[in-house]
Amino acid sequence: IAGITQAPTSQILAAGRRMTLRCTQDMRHNAMYWYRQDLGLGLRLIHYSNTAGTTGKGEVPDGYSVSRANTDDFPLTLASAVPSQTSVYFCASSASGTGSDTQYFGPGTRLTVL
Amino acid sequence: GQNIDQPTEMTATEGAIVQINCTYQTSGFNGLFWYQQHAGEAPTFLSYNVLDGLEEKGRFSSFLSRSKGYSYLLLKELQMKDSASYLCAVLDSNYQLIWGAGTKLIIKP
Repeated sequence: IAGITQAPTSQILAAGRRMTLRCTQDMRHNAMYWYRQDLGLGLRLIHYSNTAGTTGKGEVPDGYSVSRANTDDFPLTLASAVPSQTSVYFCASSASGTGSDTQYFGPGTRLTVL
Repeated sequence: GQNIDQPTEMTATEGAIVQINCTYQTSGFNGLFWYQQHAGEAPTFLSYNVLDGLEEKGRFSSFLSRSKGYSYLLLKELQMKDSASYLCAVLDSNYQLIWGAGTKLIIKP
């Protein structure tokens, strides 16, 4: 059982380019999340999805979009990358998004935008 | 606004006990989580508190006081592998996790 996988592991991207970070979970969790983690700051929620077919905005959604076509996959797209989007991106999932279920994290994607 | 405060860094000695504090001010409260994060890795779940009091789990214990907006994580019999960042997170009224910046714990032999 893999849990949550993310791809790529790391990426260097030119500003203005489009980039999709992939996230797949095999735990049949209903809820999925995208966070970014920057030095000196806590994890910040970008977007979330409480169930397949629905998505919601988190604390820092600008410049990012997501889709949730099925239970397992939750890709994050940067339409036109900017240097301030340089960060480590974590995908997470939990059994539900409306309770106190534990969130489980993927290994992260380290993104550098030049 | 919502705010979670933790010390930035702490140092302790192998075999000793350390207490990592977390204070919070959030819109609503549906529980408090502690996660461990080793450098370059993903956060992993340690504990969850929703009622006041102490929850013990092996060498790790977590305490909550809702009236004071305060929690601590207690680590006993410290081992070198406990060197990591410890993240405090509060589940707010919308069931979204609000995260502290984390406490980097350095264990010295």
